[in-house]
Amino acid sequence: DGGITQSPKYLFRKEGQNVTLSCEQNLNHDAMYWYRQDPGQGLRLIYYSQIVNDFQKGDIAEGYSVSREKKESFPLTVTSAQKNPTAFYLCASSIAPMDGGNQPQHFGDGTRLSIL
Amino acid sequence: QQPVQSPQAVILREGEDAVINCSSSKALYSVHWYRQKHGEAPVFLMILLKGGEQKGHEKISASFNEKKQQSSLYLTASQLSYSGTYFCGSNTGTASKLTFGTGTRLQVTL
Repeated sequence: DGGITQSPKYLFRKEGQNVTLSCEQNLNHDAMYWYRQDPGQGLRLIYYSQIVNDFQKGDIAEGYSVSREKKESFPLTVTSAQKNPTAFYLCASSIAPMDGGNQPQHFGDGTRLSIL
Repeated sequence: QQPVQSPQAVILREGEDAVINCSSSKALYSVHWYRQKHGEAPVFLMILLKGGEQKGHEKISASFNEKKQQSSLYLTASQLSYSGTYFCGSNTGTASKLTFGTGTRLQVTL
């Protein structure tokens, strides 16, 4: 079955450590996205990529980094510069729209990151 | 800037109807609607493109008023399975980027 796999489901980090969240998709989608969700809040865009080897900052990119070396993979690194990293992180993908955001986004099951 | 959703929360009895609104301060190219159950990933419901079209998905439909920069989601004859948080996502034409609203929590009871 095609889908998006995020791992791990739960992740604990000590202060000062960098951690990397994995996101893999086998939907053959060109575009991939990372969102952060805080309790009772909406989704905020961290980074997005519409094509391999290219990505753009979203609304809250500070303290995060990404890479897009392969079409199916879009890992997110939460660096020690991110002062409040505890949140639910969601990865999504979509067919790269030829004309704006008119394609649905498909989400993975998320990773919960907590500070120890 | 995030779209504003209203109401923030609503409780329905099974079989009742509800309307969730989404307003943007920017001109919209399209509006997406998603539903998220607690602890789960959001699930896509529908997309509305500029032109004022209305779409339907089972007993859930939506409208998009481009001029007013608003979209509304209509849930008719609600079922227990409709419970969850509903998010609108606005696209202002900048590539495939979406900006999500803060969500509307919907609870359907017996």
